[in-house]
Amino acid sequence: DAGVIQSPRHEVTEMGQEVTLRCKPISGHDYLFWYRQTMMRGLELLIYFNNNVPIDDSGMPEDRFSAKMPNASFSTLKIQPSEPRDSAVYFCASRPQGNQETQYFGPGTRLLVL
Amino acid sequence: AQSVTQLGSHVSVSEGALVLLRCNYSSSVPPYLFWYVQYPNQGLQLLLKYTSAATLVKGINGFEAEFKKSETSFHLTKPSAHMSDAAEYFCAVSDLGSSNTGKLIFGQGTTLQVKP
Repeated sequence: DAGVIQSPRHEVTEMGQEVTLRCKPISGHDYLFWYRQTMMRGLELLIYFNNNVPIDDSGMPEDRFSAKMPNASFSTLKIQPSEPRDSAVYFCASRPQGNQETQYFGPGTRLLVL
Repeated sequence: AQSVTQLGSHVSVSEGALVLLRCNYSSSVPPYLFWYVQYPNQGLQLLLKYTSAATLVKGINGFEAEFKKSETSFHLTKPSAHMSDAAEYFCAVSDLGSSNTGKLIFGQGTTLQVKP
């Protein structure tokens, strides 16, 4: 299995621009999680999906952030408009329904907003 | 509510020395506990996990951790550090015991430096 795939791996954009991060979970996994990692706040859960349905988005910082999962093999995290404080590494993770214990993480997208 | 505290944001050991990374948790229900490792510019990789079976858990790369309920701790150890162990280590607790969602609450992380 290829593992969790994220794209792009690196993104540099200017303040005010729209940013879209993409994630392909491991095939057969029913849960998908989006995390943000910063020096100041560590690893934070932003939102997670079960069977493509958003379950808990309480970690989404504000309305500028939105996430979708149109099908079982694809999810996006969008920031519009982006701000310098959004600069972070964004991780996607997935896990199967049966094995509720282990999340598998993607390599992350390193976002820099100038 | 659940939380995790990792004592020491940076730990430095010599190659061949004992590695001890500390993790204390707070949970109102029996916890599931995890250690993940993050190498530079990579995602998180599971080292080991405790899910209410044996209290001493063995993981990959020679690491192990012991669940101590009385101390609310889940410290990570390795008898002999290797240069390749230099990375950031995260302790996490899962809410599986309560809401059954498997959300992970992470500690702030500990950076392990291994000196030759």
